[in-house]
Amino acid sequence: GQQLNQSPQSMFIQEGEDVSMNCTSSSIFNTWLWYKQDPGEGPVLLIALYKAGELTSNGRLTAQFGITRKDSFLNISASIPSDVGIYFCAGQPIQGAQKLVFGQGTRLTINP
Amino acid sequence: KAGVTQTPRYLIKTRGQQVTLSCSPISGHRSVSWYQQTPGQGLQFLFEYFSETQRNKGNFPGRFSGRQFSNSRSEMNVSTLELGDSALYLCASSLLGGERGEQFFGPGTRLTVL
Repeated sequence: GQQLNQSPQSMFIQEGEDVSMNCTSSSIFNTWLWYKQDPGEGPVLLIALYKAGELTSNGRLTAQFGITRKDSFLNISASIPSDVGIYFCAGQPIQGAQKLVFGQGTRLTINP
Repeated sequence: KAGVTQTPRYLIKTRGQQVTLSCSPISGHRSVSWYQQTPGQGLQFLFEYFSETQRNKGNFPGRFSGRQFSNSRSEMNVSTLELGDSALYLCASSLLGGERGEQFFGPGTRLTVL
């Protein structure tokens, strides 16, 4: 099935560092969503973006909806141990609105 | 407000058997979507139900089916299980299932097929 190109696949950083990850697609999306998944749990919605160019923050997290509507990025500032997990981007297609398309995930590991 | 709940959380079946998974959406949410998550394929959309009707379907064989009840609770069924069906099955609910794409996920059901 279709997947978004999410990078990097994994990141190993020191506590306190900033993190940046992004997703790209060949298709246009109506909405971009960013989720975090902890082991054994379902994804938790972090940020939702609805308009091209939109920049939205949620605490230390900032995400942007690309102008072309084909990409999005997520930044985490001043990382802390509880940021460890897998981050997924998801795009909402124009057709089939509830049929979210997901990236492969970015696994974030933090060294204290 | 309670989140999305899924039962059971873990399930072990053998090849050829069938299985039914259950999902209760967030109160007031009318759209329920199902996803399969595997290490190789990631998160893949199975189907979506809204007001007891299947509105969208992913690229999965007919062995995968679902339904939604009048109280918005949903079930998915997998018949004639194969080893490759081992996965985390996630249910997500959405308020209206329309333009706003926000979906809220349950904890998933971990299915192991032996």
